[in-house]
Amino acid sequence: LAKTTQPISMDSYEGQEVNITCSHNNIATNDYITWYQQFPSQGPRFIIQGYKTKVTNEVASLFIPADRKSSTLSLPRVSLSDTAVYYCLVHNTDKLIFGTGTRLQVFP
Amino acid sequence: SAVISQKPSRDICQRGTSLTIQCQVDSQVTMMFWYRQQPGQSLTLIATANQGSEATYESGFVIDKFPISRPNLTFSTLTVSNMSPEDSSIYLCSVVEGYYGYTFGSGTRLTVV
Repeated sequence: LAKTTQPISMDSYEGQEVNITCSHNNIATNDYITWYQQFPSQGPRFIIQGYKTKVTNEVASLFIPADRKSSTLSLPRVSLSDTAVYYCLVHNTDKLIFGTGTRLQVFP
Repeated sequence: SAVISQKPSRDICQRGTSLTIQCQVDSQVTMMFWYRQQPGQSLTLIATANQGSEATYESGFVIDKFPISRPNLTFSTLTVSNMSPEDSSIYLCSVVEGYYGYTFGSGTRLTVV
């Protein structure tokens, strides 16, 4: 399973756009990239998944360059409630292996 | 997406005892997963539980310590046996669903004293 590297923590302010980049240099051809969000005392929650190029849903966008060795989760106009840990995962099976995640703190 | 109910939500247990955690899903799922999350840490996969077969354990986890049952397609249990303070963690179950990815329960917060 491809290992992922992401920043340990990030700070932002309400209303700003936040971009969290994840490196996965050893990604395999059949791997997908998935991001999860976890609030304290809750299980992780699915945010977005992609294979290549750009994916957008109601909460985030995921940018994946052509070589797929990295990906960027973009959160538009964050609010205080976006304070959470964000995990980037690369997988091609039903088994998820979590990395360290990025702790995002949003300030007023 | 599936709704997962985990019980108990939290417990404080004496060392040397065992605790069984239940995971109930509101739909039939083939694969269920059990994770452990130690304080301030990421999630670590304990095992994969398929209905009708033995659970598959990850490196560092053994059946004698974490026996798992999977009697049907909507239910699973994880037992933490002969507990020590090092077992104090949050234990989460998870299922996989096509478009929605993985859904996690809210977890069981276990404290061993």
